[in-house]
Amino acid sequence: KNEVEQSPQNLTAQEGEFITINCSYSVGISALHWLQQHPGGGIVSLFMLSSGKKKHGRLIATINIQEKHSSLHITASHPRDSAVYICAVPGNQFYFGTGTSLTVIP
Amino acid sequence: ETGVTQTPRHLVMGMTNKKSLKCEQHLGHNAMYWYKQSAKKPLELMFVYSLEERVENNSVPSRFSPECPNSSHLFLHLHTLQPEDSALYLCASSQEVLTGELFFGEGSRLTVL
Repeated sequence: KNEVEQSPQNLTAQEGEFITINCSYSVGISALHWLQQHPGGGIVSLFMLSSGKKKHGRLIATINIQEKHSSLHITASHPRDSAVYICAVPGNQFYFGTGTSLTVIP
Repeated sequence: ETGVTQTPRHLVMGMTNKKSLKCEQHLGHNAMYWYKQSAKKPLELMFVYSLEERVENNSVPSRFSPECPNSSHLFLHLHTLQPEDSALYLCASSQEVLTGELFFGEGSRLTVL
């Protein structure tokens, strides 16, 4: 069993829809990372959070430490949001989810 | 310049070749990492360096050999690879090892024939 589980694995949305990606983890953590990977491979860090909520533009990340769960929300989704979104937590190494592949259709 | 730069972006090699992947970070970070990303699998940690010293070797076959000559450069030397080693190899850095924000390179797409 992976230390980090993400859902859904694949997600297709119409432009403008509100999107939620979920992450559950089993290890004790100091912070959780949300990453974005575009086709071609490069990975960009979106958020690092240890409690509560963070917002950056149309992206919102929340975390519940007691429940070991985090969500990434995208408001007013756009085709340029199409990417793989990866949840990661540090332990004795970084543990990564398998990613959620998001496609936003115009 | 981008924070973490990887070269080459694409590499095709035969099983008997010797090649190297290069990573350079311009962020002044103390920790650098090599990750392997295969289709449908989570990122797999291969090696971690902190201040040029290897702190993690995640049971990686000896046909992969890392080198960290200084805190800004990281190499992955490849020798006698297998077709199943074909993957995207990602370099990353962080201010301190296993803490702080991770910064990734664009990756090197490796195909072993």
